[in-house]
Amino acid sequence: GENVEQHPSTLSVQEGDSAVIKCTYSDSASNYFPWYKQELGKGPQLIIDIRSNVGEKKDQRIAVTLNKTAKHFSLHITETQPEDSAVYFCAASLEAAGNKLTFGGGTRVLVKP
Amino acid sequence: GAVVSQHPSRVICKSGTSVKIECRSLDFQATTMFWYRQFPKQSLMLMATSNEGSKATYEQGVEKDKFLINHASLTLSTLTVTSAHPEDSSFYICSARDLAGGRDTQYFGPGTRLTVL
Repeated sequence: GENVEQHPSTLSVQEGDSAVIKCTYSDSASNYFPWYKQELGKGPQLIIDIRSNVGEKKDQRIAVTLNKTAKHFSLHITETQPEDSAVYFCAASLEAAGNKLTFGGGTRVLVKP
Repeated sequence: GAVVSQHPSRVICKSGTSVKIECRSLDFQATTMFWYRQFPKQSLMLMATSNEGSKATYEQGVEKDKFLINHASLTLSTLTVTSAHPEDSSFYICSARDLAGGRDTQYFGPGTRLTVL
């Protein structure tokens, strides 16, 4: 089955700096890669996703890149703000197989004011 | 994005009792919903896939007789933790699969904190 590794497990950045989180996956058939933000005591919130037919996607301060050959994808947050502090999870799935998500271990991001 | 609700948000029960958690997709229909369990400072662990009108599919190691799932309509799935014990205490989260408009996206509920005394 699919295995997703996520790094780093914790990330501390100064407000205004960029944050980068990287994930690798094992199943080359996976074709859907969402990123979720989870605040303390709440459910995960979808912040951006990418499908394997594109290499990059951007939404304001958030961008995701995908390298299918190397089987890794990354989340980039620019101009970080204190409200970006949360746990971020990457995931991978094969849409044709019911889109069952396999999650990475999570990255705890702390943005220091 | 689409909205998924869960009820209750937190529940405390005595050991041996059963607890039902509801998951609703509020503005879309979901033929498939998923149930996850999350321990403190850990990732989400998929427990089962809930399919409207058919039996749920459970992940390896998850007892189907302990975690009963019913997906009676296109907007509601329920998870019942039967004969709960302290080790069942956890954060339970559901997600619903949105296939509208040609997309295939999962939206998560806010979670239910279960504490078994």
